[in-house]
Amino acid sequence: NAGVTQTPKFRILKIGQSMTLQCTQDMNHNYMYWYRQDPGMGLKLIYYSVGAGITDKGEVPNGYNVSRSTTEDFPLRLELAAPSQTSVYFCASSFRYYEQYFGPGTRLTVT
Amino acid sequence: QKEVEQNSGPLSVPEGAIASLNCTYSDRGSQSFFWYRQYSGKSPELIMSIYSNGDKEDGRFTAQLNKASQYVSLLIRDSQPSDSATYLCAVNKRSGGGADGLTFGKGTHLIIQP
Repeated sequence: NAGVTQTPKFRILKIGQSMTLQCTQDMNHNYMYWYRQDPGMGLKLIYYSVGAGITDKGEVPNGYNVSRSTTEDFPLRLELAAPSQTSVYFCASSFRYYEQYFGPGTRLTVT
Repeated sequence: QKEVEQNSGPLSVPEGAIASLNCTYSDRGSQSFFWYRQYSGKSPELIMSIYSNGDKEDGRFTAQLNKASQYVSLLIRDSQPSDSATYLCAVNKRSGGGADGLTFGKGTHLIIQP
């Protein structure tokens, strides 16, 4: 099993551009999550999903959108990128409320 | 009000000694508790989970949970230089029975001195 995979690993965006961060898991987990981590800070939850077609906002959802059309995939969309969205983004998955497993992350810079 | 608090460190421990990491949380409804290890530039790696009061041991790691005092700790025995990393405490609130993500502390930077 590859676990949780994320693409791209790195990306530089200009202010106002849009992009989609991809996340795929092959563990047949029903729950998936997006977090962001700023330097010296803990991870903050952006969005989560408990299954295909079901998503909900986390602590810091503004400026982001998600969709969940399959069990495996949970893409995160950034519209109108802003410098405040410069961060490292981690996708995670779990079986229900139990242990969450993280992908390798996407390092995003908005300039 | 901070929900999960950890001492940011750095915590310096000699090789072979016991490293003790502590975490407190504010939500008494918290049900699940996790310790993640994060090397610089890498993603969090799950090392321990604990769901009930008491101790849970896995190899050189022991997690301790005290819900009455709202703290959770991680002990690392026989510390190795490879244990040098940032350790993140995470709590699942499970509000209203629905799923929600983990609430993380900012992490404790642990340095094992050879």
